[in-house]
Amino acid sequence: EVQLVESGGGLVKPGGSLRLSCAASGFTLRSYSMTWVRQAPGKGLEWVSFITSSSGNMYYADSVKGRFTVSRDNTKNSLYLEMNSLRVDDTAVYYCVRDLKGRFYGDVWGQGTTVTVSS
Amino acid sequence: QSALTQPASVSASPGQSITISCTGTRSDVGTYNYVSWYQQHPGKAPKLIIYDVNNRPSGVSNRFSGSKSGNTASLTISGLQAEDEADYYCSSYTSSSTIGVFGGGTKLTVL
Repeated sequence: EVQLVESGGGLVKPGGSLRLSCAASGFTLRSYSMTWVRQAPGKGLEWVSFITSSSGNMYYADSVKGRFTVSRDNTKNSLYLEMNSLRVDDTAVYYCVRDLKGRFYGDVWGQGTTVTVSS
Repeated sequence: QSALTQPASVSASPGQSITISCTGTRSDVGTYNYVSWYQQHPGKAPKLIIYDVNNRPSGVSNRFSGSKSGNTASLTISGLQAEDEADYYCSSYTSSSTIGVFGGGTKLTVL
């Protein structure tokens, strides 16, 4: 079964850091670009970051640029999102998403991990 | 990154058809056929239902179809069923950013 499982979410104070992980199974991670998408409580979806299959290129939403870093370890079938200088408006469910064709087509989604930034 | 524009809500009765619009610009929907649509039920992860404007992933009902005209993409759901009640989001590649852009979402109510 093709599956993505996120972990690492939690409660953190403004200015703090978190590292999200995403474990992939049922498919060859190195064959796909991967993305992170977030959804603030009661709000819509937002593409957060994108990383190509070989880690050759990484892209970020303006709202997280300079604070978040996406990475991957294809040998461990894992995707990561390092989040620094967290702000209250980073509070959201973060989804790990497989990109079907490298065109922001999220064809496989994890169940999401909740990040809450609050003092 | 500016969001694509969708109606906040639409509603219709079972068996009817509805169309949800997604309006962008020449930097995204108007130039690129990289439009996708997602269905999200409450408390669940989104599900891809349309990509490349009008292609359905395997397993998605043919009651869902997509199209595009100018800067506006559309999702049509025919033969509405109770389980279609959900939030729907469009997305597009955009040349004005290095990352994709979503619409604000449309809540579909099946009366």
